[in-house]
Amino acid sequence: DQQVKQNSPSLSVQEGRISILNCDYTNSMFDYFLWYKKYPAEGPTFLISISSIKDKNEDGRFTVFLNKSAKHLSLHIVPSQPGDSAVYFCAASVEMNRDDKIIFGKGTRLHILP
Amino acid sequence: KAGVTQTPRYLIKTRGQQVTLSCSPISGHRSVSWYQQTPGQGLQFLFEYFSETQRNKGNFPGRFSGRQFSNSRSEMNVSTLELGDSALYLCASSLAVRGTTEAFFGQGTRLTVV
Repeated sequence: DQQVKQNSPSLSVQEGRISILNCDYTNSMFDYFLWYKKYPAEGPTFLISISSIKDKNEDGRFTVFLNKSAKHLSLHIVPSQPGDSAVYFCAASVEMNRDDKIIFGKGTRLHILP
Repeated sequence: KAGVTQTPRYLIKTRGQQVTLSCSPISGHRSVSWYQQTPGQGLQFLFEYFSETQRNKGNFPGRFSGRQFSNSRSEMNVSTLELGDSALYLCASSLAVRGTTEAFFGQGTRLTVV
């Protein structure tokens, strides 16, 4: 049973446009969410996170939106740049339960087209 | 400061053999987690160690085991290798166990079982 779902395996976006990556979760106990970015031959790197007490967190070109009622979060990249081409992993955990593991989605491969 | 170091980077083994992978976390980080990444399956959690104690374990068979040393370095062992164990194995380190602590990943060890 996948608790964190990224239903789009890949996404192509024109350079300069907005990239929107989606993530759904099933466990209502999750209260902390993270996005990681992974280039080929490298380990994932932390991008941005959001706690369930917020519905939006912004860091430069990256914004994460959280809709708790829909158990949905999304990552917006504006404007998209060629270096954004990578695999993006959504992850979730229970912030208050320090013994809980972080659950990752399967990832979405983003292609930024010139 | 140095990042997470995983050795070796690449490994080829035959079915039935066993393998040991190594991970050196970022200095000062006491939590080390291991993940398996296969195409289409995203990052699957293997186990997490904190202060030499296994704090959490994913849904993998007993052939997968690990340990953490007093200097926080961790090893992962897979015995009786199967073809399906071919994957990228990623190690992540963080200051503390779960919660809001972001994990920093190594480059991974690419294991191929033939």
